[in-house]
Amino acid sequence: GAGVSQSPRYKVTKRGQDVALRCDPISGHVSLYWYRQALGQGPEFLTYFNYEAQQDKSGLPNDRFSAERPEGSISTLTIQRTEQRDSAMYRCASSWARETTGELFFGEGSRLTVL
Amino acid sequence: AQSVTQLDSHVSVSEGTPVLLRCNYSSSYSPSLFWYVQHPNKGLQLLLKYTSAATLVKGINGFEAEFKKSETSFHLTKPSAHMSDAAEYFCVVSDFSGGYNKLIFGAGTRLAVHP
Repeated sequence: GAGVSQSPRYKVTKRGQDVALRCDPISGHVSLYWYRQALGQGPEFLTYFNYEAQQDKSGLPNDRFSAERPEGSISTLTIQRTEQRDSAMYRCASSWARETTGELFFGEGSRLTVL
Repeated sequence: AQSVTQLDSHVSVSEGTPVLLRCNYSSSYSPSLFWYVQHPNKGLQLLLKYTSAATLVKGINGFEAEFKKSETSFHLTKPSAHMSDAAEYFCVVSDFSGGYNKLIFGAGTRLAVHP
């Protein structure tokens, strides 16, 4: 597609449910990032993929959070047993190469609300 | 460790007056710095980037930023504000310690433009 696509755009769930957030990066982009943005704050890094390899997951807050990118394209961020503190905007970004200070292209985000 | 500090959480200007959004950075090596803008319900968009070339960087929509090593600053300016500039602006630094372009965001500055 023309840009980074994320779905769903909005997700409301009850505490304790699992959620899966999807990211479809720009075609050909090898690097993929997940960020989380709480209300009134800047995005915070969660995890990074180079092709299908998850090379950095240091930002995942706990073991309820996981991410995968099995074929080096679409990625899924999964949150198990959601808690109210997980409510945030989850943003995906992609870039064409790893070893560059080039632009990261961001999707419009998935806003998660946990009741 | 790389970090940025945005000195103002909110800035309000009149249409047609200059804009100044302040950012200080901390870096253990020569930094790559960026400004991103976020309009309501939109993704993050790159305004401009500094990667050790010219210290005065010109971006889209008339914005520019000046890298000042002696002051560890990377302030964003625009000579004349437009109503359409109302948005949230993020100062960002690259952390390449992991061998890839990991972006570290500031907390953001919300710019309001009034008639």
